[in-house]
Amino acid sequence: TQLLEQSPQFLSIQEGENLTVYCNSSSVFSSLQWYRQEPGEGPVLLVTVVTGGEVKKLKRLTFQFGDARKDSSLHITAAQPGDTGLYLCAGAGSNTGKLIFGQGTTLQVKP
Amino acid sequence: DSGVTQTPKHLITATGQRVTLRCSPRSGDLSVYWYQQSLDQGLQFLIQYYNGEERAKGNILERFSAQQFPDLHSELNLSSLELGDSALYFCASSGAGGGYGYTFGSGTRLTVV
Repeated sequence: TQLLEQSPQFLSIQEGENLTVYCNSSSVFSSLQWYRQEPGEGPVLLVTVVTGGEVKKLKRLTFQFGDARKDSSLHITAAQPGDTGLYLCAGAGSNTGKLIFGQGTTLQVKP
Repeated sequence: DSGVTQTPKHLITATGQRVTLRCSPRSGDLSVYWYQQSLDQGLQFLIQYYNGEERAKGNILERFSAQQFPDLHSELNLSSLELGDSALYFCASSGAGGGYGYTFGSGTRLTVV
């Protein structure tokens, strides 16, 4: 069974601070995705990483896929209150397109 | 609007009852996925359909069933409901390969009382 473990589970920081969220597994994934979910809404795709070692940037967010394609990280620079939400990583391991989701990291950025 | 439409948004029903959740995928997407989200379990994969055929199954209870119709909309049927079935149910859609990302609907919040 493929599992994705996210850490930390909860993070409460002040505006302007930097943070990193980790997503780890013992399994290899063909791709890994990061989503952000706000209360009462469905998750929204932020990025997909496919190649081992790949780094993608989305404004103040930097996503990295591990060389062995078993882990990923999300780094946010100078966090803002608008970054508050639940961040989910998800791995695609089979050819069905089914995604396995991590438990999520709840981020709160205080003004 | 993500393009994936789920109805109803909220549902309150009694134990033992049966409900149907409906999902219309984003235009052009052939795959539909159903997930259950609860506070202690996170997002759990239930079932996937691709162009009308069941493609993959997760830990879906026998009391739950789903189907995808020729117009590609999907329905998730939950029967003999128990208190523990209370959760958010999400539908997502993708092109042929879900590995490049899903588009999620806004979910159906099911409360069993």
